[in-house]
Amino acid sequence: DTGVSQDPRHKITKRGQNVTFRCDPISEHNRLYWYRQTLGQGPEFLTYFQNEAQLEKSRLLSDRFSAERPKGSFSTLEIQRTEQGDSAMYLCASSVLGGSEKLFFGSGTQLSVL
Amino acid sequence: GQQVMQIPQYQHVQEGEDFTTYCNSSTTLSNIQWYKQRPGGHPVFLIQLVKSGEVKKQKRLTFQFGEAKKNSSLHITATQTTDVGTYFCAGRGTSYDKVIFGPGTSLSVIP
Repeated sequence: DTGVSQDPRHKITKRGQNVTFRCDPISEHNRLYWYRQTLGQGPEFLTYFQNEAQLEKSRLLSDRFSAERPKGSFSTLEIQRTEQGDSAMYLCASSVLGGSEKLFFGSGTQLSVL
Repeated sequence: GQQVMQIPQYQHVQEGEDFTTYCNSSTTLSNIQWYKQRPGGHPVFLIQLVKSGEVKKQKRLTFQFGEAKKNSSLHITATQTTDVGTYFCAGRGTSYDKVIFGPGTSLSVIP
């Protein structure tokens, strides 16, 4: 069991730049979630997939954010024209629909926008 | 939309004291999960409750799901320094819905 893998672990970027993060879920997991977490807060839901289908995207999420899971395996989260308010830990989690459905989290990507 | 709230936000206890955190949802939940996040770590699944009024125990931890399936609690008996971390409840409206997290309760244990 290799767990959920996220890359990169840290990303520092300048305001206005685009960034992309990758998540590799546990291989047999059909659900994949993206959350954002800032210091002292709980994970904030961004979007989730069942296989390759994106089921929902948070209504609070700017159009600058987009996510894909093209083959139902790994997923990417892209932020265009980054802003300082985008600085946060971006967490990916995966689960098996129909099982205990517990979420397995990756270690996250820490984004700092300067 | 669905909102999940938790109280207290912070709790400082002397080692050996008990600790309780409470979780409330704005809507009825199909199930509720609890996670623990250690400082610098990521959330780790503790347990899932599904049935109305369900109570589950894991050693010193006791989890309850309310009769109306809108609230839950986590009680830790005789806290230890290894219990330090933030405890999150997370709920979903239906079995196939997304998982929404509460803001968490941060527990500090003074040795």
